[in-house]
Amino acid sequence: EVQLVESGGGLVQPGGSLRLSCAASGLTFSNYWMHWVRQAPGKGLEWVSRISSDGSGTTYADSVKGRFTISRDNAKSTLYLQMNSLRAEDAAVYYCIGSSGWPGYWGQGTLVTVSS
Amino acid sequence: DIVMTQSPDSLAVSLGERATINCKSSQSVFFSSNNKNNLAWYQQKPGQPPKLLVYWASTRESGVPDRFSGSGSGTDFTLTISNLQAEDVAAYYCQQYYNYPWTFGQGTKVEIK
Repeated sequence: EVQLVESGGGLVQPGGSLRLSCAASGLTFSNYWMHWVRQAPGKGLEWVSRISSDGSGTTYADSVKGRFTISRDNAKSTLYLQMNSLRAEDAAVYYCIGSSGWPGYWGQGTLVTVSS
Repeated sequence: DIVMTQSPDSLAVSLGERATINCKSSQSVFFSSNNKNNLAWYQQKPGQPPKLLVYWASTRESGVPDRFSGSGSGTDFTLTISNLQAEDVAAYYCQQYYNYPWTFGQGTKVEIK
């Protein structure tokens, strides 16, 4: 069974930093492009970032470009999202997604709260 | 960016009846290299992550009941829930994965009439 388990969420002050992790199991992690998608409370879904299977290519939403960094460690089957200069509008549940052509696998999400 | 527009925003359907949700993209999401529409549908219940129902516009995900079906091509797509069950009460989203940024529809809430 494929599992994607996010962690690292929590309460952070505006301007602060957090690093999210997504531990993958049950799939050959190095074969999958990985993504982060977020959902603010009571709102819709917003794609945040993606990274290629070998980590050589990344893309970001304009709303996070220059502040967030996506990375992966294929030896550990883990995806990361380093979030800096956090703003109130970054508060959301963050989901990691595994894609091998289509967005097939979603994690349960981790909640990020940005508040003073 | 490709804009995904769903209609209606909400609908109420009687148990056992059909629910139809439409999704329109601002540009085609048909990929000629693989002859597929890069369009997915999700179901989301409160407090849960989105659950993939359909990908490539019409391929049902493993384990999804066959009362859920996707159709359409190019820019116009439909999710049909036949024989609506109580457990189908949820929000439904379409999503394009044709290019970046991936974009989602605003969601459609399905309720029981």
